[in-house]
Amino acid sequence: QQPVQSPQAVILREGEDAVINCSSSKALYSVHWYRQKHGEAPVFLMILLKGGEQKGHEKISASFNEKKQQSSLYLTASQLSYSGTYFCGTRSGNKLVFGAGTILRVKS
Amino acid sequence: DAGVIQSPRHEVTEMGQEVTLRCKPISGHDYLFWYRQTMMRGLELLIYFNNNVPIDDSGMPEDRFSAKMPNASFSTLKIQPSEPRDSAVYFCASSFGAAWGYTFGSGTRLTVV
Repeated sequence: QQPVQSPQAVILREGEDAVINCSSSKALYSVHWYRQKHGEAPVFLMILLKGGEQKGHEKISASFNEKKQQSSLYLTASQLSYSGTYFCGTRSGNKLVFGAGTILRVKS
Repeated sequence: DAGVIQSPRHEVTEMGQEVTLRCKPISGHDYLFWYRQTMMRGLELLIYFNNNVPIDDSGMPEDRFSAKMPNASFSTLKIQPSEPRDSAVYFCASSFGAAWGYTFGSGTRLTVV
C-alpha cells in the first residue's frame, strides 16, 4: 500500500518552517525521505527506524511515530534550495513504496 | 564514486520498436531497483535484484517488459515492443542492503511516439 503524504503542496517564504506528513495503513518499521528537484533524480535525505533512531541529513529533521504509523519531516528556516518534491518511502518486504510526493516551493 | 550511471539520458522511439535502458550501479551495492515515474502514477517499482538475482518483478506492467542483471555492475531494462503509454522517466537505483538509503541514477526519459 502506498503511503499517504500531506499536504500535496506548500508555498513558503524564505525563513519559514514547514512540516510534511507521511502516514501508512500498515505497521511501519522504517521510513525513508527523499527530495527531487525538477528534472533531476530523487536524492536520499534520511531514514527513520523503528525505535526512534534517526539517520541521514543534518539540516532537516524528522520524527517517527510507530503507534500512529506516521512520520513527519520538519524543514525549519527554509532556504530557496529546499524547493522540490519530497517523497516518503515505506518498506514492504525488501522494497520501498513511495508516496505521491509533496511539492515544496520556497519564495524569496 | 561516479554514482549510479544510466544511459541513454533521453530516448525517442517509434511505437513498436525495441528499447533498451542501461544501468551501472555503485560498486559494492548489492541491491538494484528499476522505477518508473509518471505524473499520473508517481514512482512505481518495476523490479529489483539482490546479488544479480531478480527477486520481485511484480511491478513489471506486462510481458513486453524484461530486465536482466548479468553481473554486479550492469543491468538492462528492455521494452519490446514499445507503446506510447510506456513514455515515462525510468530510474535505476542501488543500495547497500535493503534497509538503507537508495542512490538513484539520473534517469532515462523515454518518449514513444
